[in-house]
Amino acid sequence: EAGVAQSPRYKIIEKRQSVAFWCNPISGHATLYWYQQILGQGPKLLIQFQNNGVVDDSQLPKDRFSAERLKGVDSTLKIQPAKLEDSAVYLCASSLGGQGDYEQYFGPGTRLTVT
Amino acid sequence: KQEVTQIPAALSVPEGENLVLNCSFTDSAIYNLQWFRQDPGKGLTSLLLIQSSQREQTSGRLNASLDKSSGRSTLYIAASQPGDSATYLCAGEGGSEKLVFGKGTKLTVNP
Repeated sequence: EAGVAQSPRYKIIEKRQSVAFWCNPISGHATLYWYQQILGQGPKLLIQFQNNGVVDDSQLPKDRFSAERLKGVDSTLKIQPAKLEDSAVYLCASSLGGQGDYEQYFGPGTRLTVT
Repeated sequence: KQEVTQIPAALSVPEGENLVLNCSFTDSAIYNLQWFRQDPGKGLTSLLLIQSSQREQTSGRLNASLDKSSGRSTLYIAASQPGDSATYLCAGEGGSEKLVFGKGTKLTVNP
């Protein structure tokens, strides 16, 4: 079974520029998550989708971050404009979803450096 | 608000030693508890998932336990090997499928 795919793996941008990350979850997984992991910290949930609907985006800085999951499969996370403090690894995860005890499976992440 | 704490932050042991990593959470309303491994520059690999009706899970040399009443989980690694060197993260889920992570324990196993 193929895992969660993410691209690009690395991105370096200057502050105030925009950037987009792409994620393709495991086939058949209804729930998709975007996490931000700052160096030395655990991942923090930014947004959770159930199919193509948003379940939780309470920690997403909506003035600069946006995410979509068209057709309930792959997803994109965008930052515009980027700030220095956005330097982090952005992790995408997926799970079967719904009520129950489902594991989350993570992709390799995108390491963003904002200079 | 759920908070997850992992102790110690870093641990260095000689090869072959048995070891325990600790995870504590402030809200006992944990539904699932998941342990992950993260290698430098890589994503997270799921090691063990303790579901709401379970108290422990085992996989090979790994054993994880969950005590909801005390708000604690432990990950036991038997006969450690240099290949076990990584950062280990625990995460609790409160029924909304939203994981709250600790900061991790960085483990180094010396040959």
